[in-house]
Formats: sequence, structure tokens, C-alpha cells
Amino acid sequence: AQTVTQSQPEMSVQEAETVTLSCTYDTSESDYYLFWYKQPPSRQMILVIRQEAYKQQNATENRFSVNFQKAAKSFSLKISDSQLGDAAMYFCAYRFPNFGNEKLTFGTGTRLTIIP
Amino acid sequence: NAGVTQTPKFQVLKTGQSMTLQCAQDMNHEYMSWYRQDPGMGLRLIHYSVGAGITDQGEVPNGYNVSRSTTEDFPLRLLSAAPSQTSVYFCASSRLGGAGNTIYFGEGSWLTVV
Repeated sequence: AQTVTQSQPEMSVQEAETVTLSCTYDTSESDYYLFWYKQPPSRQMILVIRQEAYKQQNATENRFSVNFQKAAKSFSLKISDSQLGDAAMYFCAYRFPNFGNEKLTFGTGTRLTIIP
Repeated sequence: NAGVTQTPKFQVLKTGQSMTLQCAQDMNHEYMSWYRQDPGMGLRLIHYSVGAGITDQGEVPNGYNVSRSTTEDFPLRLLSAAPSQTSVYFCASSRLGGAGNTIYFGEGSWLTVV
């Protein structure tokens, strides 16, 4: 079974600084997708970034980028120029293209605090 | 475009009562699913469906029932509520046939069982 581990329950960063959230996963598959979701206090689930395992290039979305290390099964999220609106829970998730059961497997989350 | 709509947003139940959480999507998505979110445990899959008339169990199905009579709707039924079912519930949907397809989440339903 696939598992996703986020070893940092809480992180904090000064506003305008850079922070990296860690995620590791366990799978025997070679093709899959990885995601980072943001959950602000409203509890809405917001997709931040996604990465396909077959793509060597790390995904980037504005201030958000990932460091995808397939061999190490590591998928960290870097937030640059942190802003107060980045404060939220962040979930790492894995999805395997098993037609008929493309479920998301989530990590336990990292609560990010932005210090003004 | 309403996306994924969940009702009710908040509900308090007494132990033993039954209720249905409603989920509707207007994107013609084949894949729909229910998750529950508990502190320190992330989101866990309860049930999912890949089309009308087809449902299957996820990671934590006990105490819940689902059906899928239409593409748009995927209700989650609590048969006899227990305090352990106090949680935040999320419905999600996506197109089928690609793990990279965007999954759309509802805004969540807060359920308290006393």
C-alpha cells in the first residue's frame, strides 16, 4: 500500500523568507502523480502544485516549487517570499493511475505559520 | 459553474441517529469520493464511485453507506451515528482516466455526534 509521510507537524517562517516543507512516500509504482494541497482556516482544499513522476523537471507555480527526488521518494515544497496568506495546513498527496480507483493518499499535514 | 456542493455545512447529531450528507457536482465527472478529516490524520478515503451504479469501499468505510444513482450526486449515509464519526467530511470529484486530473473538493461538512 502506498503511504505518504510528512514528518514536520508544524513549521514557521518569517514573512518574505523561504521555507521548505518535507514529504516522503512509499510506492512500488513507476508512474504516479504527487500533489501539494493548501488548507487555510476555512478548510477549503486548494491545489498548490502537482508533479508527474515521469517528468524529471521540477514543477513550479509562481512562488511555489518542488524538489522531486524520485529515487529517494521525496517531494518537498519550497515557498519563496512567504506571505501572510500562505499560513495554512499543507498536505502532500499521492495518486496512482489505477483506472477505477484513482484515489488520493494524503500525508498527515504540516501547519505553516507566517511570522510578520 | 458551482463545482462540488456539499450540504449541510454543519450538523449536530445524537448517538444512534441517522443522516445523509449530500454531494452534487455539475462537471459531469465520473469519479466521486468521500473523505473524512480528523486531527493529525490527514484525509482518509471512506467510499468512492467511478460512475452511476458503481461504488466501492475506501480505507475507512465502516458505519457509512453510499449510492450513486446519477452522475451528479453521491450521498453519504450515516446509518447509526457514533461519537467516533465526529469529523469534517469532504466530497471530491474528478474526471476518470488520469491520475493527474484535477480533483475538485467541496467546502466540507462539519459533523458532531454527541
